[in-house]
Amino acid sequence: DTEVTQTPKHLVMGMTNKKSLKCEQHMGHRAMYWYKQKAKKPPELMFVYSYEKLSINESVPSRFSPECPNSSLLNLHLHALQPEDSALYLCASSQDRDNEKLFFGSGTQLSVL
Amino acid sequence: GESVGLHLPTLSVQEGDNSIINCAYSNSASDYFIWYKQESGKGPQFIIDIRSNMDKRQGQRVTVLLNKTVKHLSLQIAATQPGDSAVYFCAEKFAGNNRKLIWGLGTSLAVNP
Repeated sequence: DTEVTQTPKHLVMGMTNKKSLKCEQHMGHRAMYWYKQKAKKPPELMFVYSYEKLSINESVPSRFSPECPNSSLLNLHLHALQPEDSALYLCASSQDRDNEKLFFGSGTQLSVL
Repeated sequence: GESVGLHLPTLSVQEGDNSIINCAYSNSASDYFIWYKQESGKGPQFIIDIRSNMDKRQGQRVTVLLNKTVKHLSLQIAATQPGDSAVYFCAEKFAGNNRKLIWGLGTSLAVNP
């Protein structure tokens, strides 16, 4: 199984809503990542987890809250988002933090109204 | 056909032709380079990588060339097929940036039947 599964595929939320994005991999990878991607732009790194501990936070606003419950799961909790947060949110995993071959999910397309 | 990833974001080629996608990277200390392919509606997918101690690396129908003198990276796709239509991103990595990937802006490849 070389898949990274993300749910939901699409999400529309209001600025006062709380929602969560979920990501799962069963490749035994010990590094997991959240990226944000705007249309026609490269992915921007948000967070990196290594062995279930937060390794990198790219100065992401606190309205985005990551969580890594175990080595296979990664969540991104969303609260009080702004319309400019609308984007494709990609989850990725790699064997470990030093392995640059990332396996990406198909992403969650988020619209904030 | 050829493109310079940062200056000509769209490359159009005929099916069966060879494609060359170029990338000018930013840091002479970068020691690792990687190419990703992103099809519409999907997350990026690893294509090929190369370390700075190499000039060339070949995969299945793809070749990556590295010219460290001019900080230039290229991806060559042989016998381009309609399934190669996608956005191609180069990325670089160096020790001084917490080993994070730095992504290029991407080049859109369109294959005409």
